[in-house]
Amino acid sequence: GESVGLHLPTLSVQEGDNSIINCAYSNSASDYFIWYKQESGKGPQFIIDIRSNMDKRQGQRVTVLLNKTVKHLSLQIAATQPGDSAVYFCAEKISSYKLIFGSGTRLLVRP
Amino acid sequence: NAGVMQNPRHLVRRRGQEARLRCSPMKGHSHVYWYRQLPEEGLKFMVYLQKENIIDESGMPKERFSAEFPKEGPSILRIQQVVRGDSAAYFCASSPRPARGYGYTFGSGTRLTVV
Repeated sequence: GESVGLHLPTLSVQEGDNSIINCAYSNSASDYFIWYKQESGKGPQFIIDIRSNMDKRQGQRVTVLLNKTVKHLSLQIAATQPGDSAVYFCAEKISSYKLIFGSGTRLLVRP
Repeated sequence: NAGVMQNPRHLVRRRGQEARLRCSPMKGHSHVYWYRQLPEEGLKFMVYLQKENIIDESGMPKERFSAEFPKEGPSILRIQQVVRGDSAAYFCASSPRPARGYGYTFGSGTRLTVV
């Protein structure tokens, strides 16, 4: 996977369709999770977060689902727009200050 | 209120030179975190500093890398005798207190290229 320098997985969607980006996390003790969006040449930008006592959280056009049983997160983007094209990372908080990032998924939105 | 400011945005160094990366946290923030991102990978934690103190440097390579956050001025990540493998994007984030229970804001990064 990407941790050894291979290409990022890419999700290509039609503009207006819904996107689902998946992420597996590693630490069953993690109690807080964040999705970040990173556009080319920029730093990660916070999208949405969720605590481990929840299994779903909704924002504007985005929803995060958490399945603690299988240690899986997903980010759903409704009505995907060209401006959503970016690399998306999930991150888990393993201490009060330290984040562990997943390997990322590139989202391409076709006009 | 400006966000986390990093400079330079791009830095090119020859092998063996020193690289100094600067991070000015958001106003009122006294906690700084440095992460490194290799191409096509996620960010990896390097170091967590408070003013004048290193709290956790478990992600820093043992040699050639150092970080400081002085009482006045920006936080500095210093890489001595750079090698090609140091080429990466280095991101800084800040928070007003230990970032419990929430994420933190990243700067736009410094892209280091070692030639």
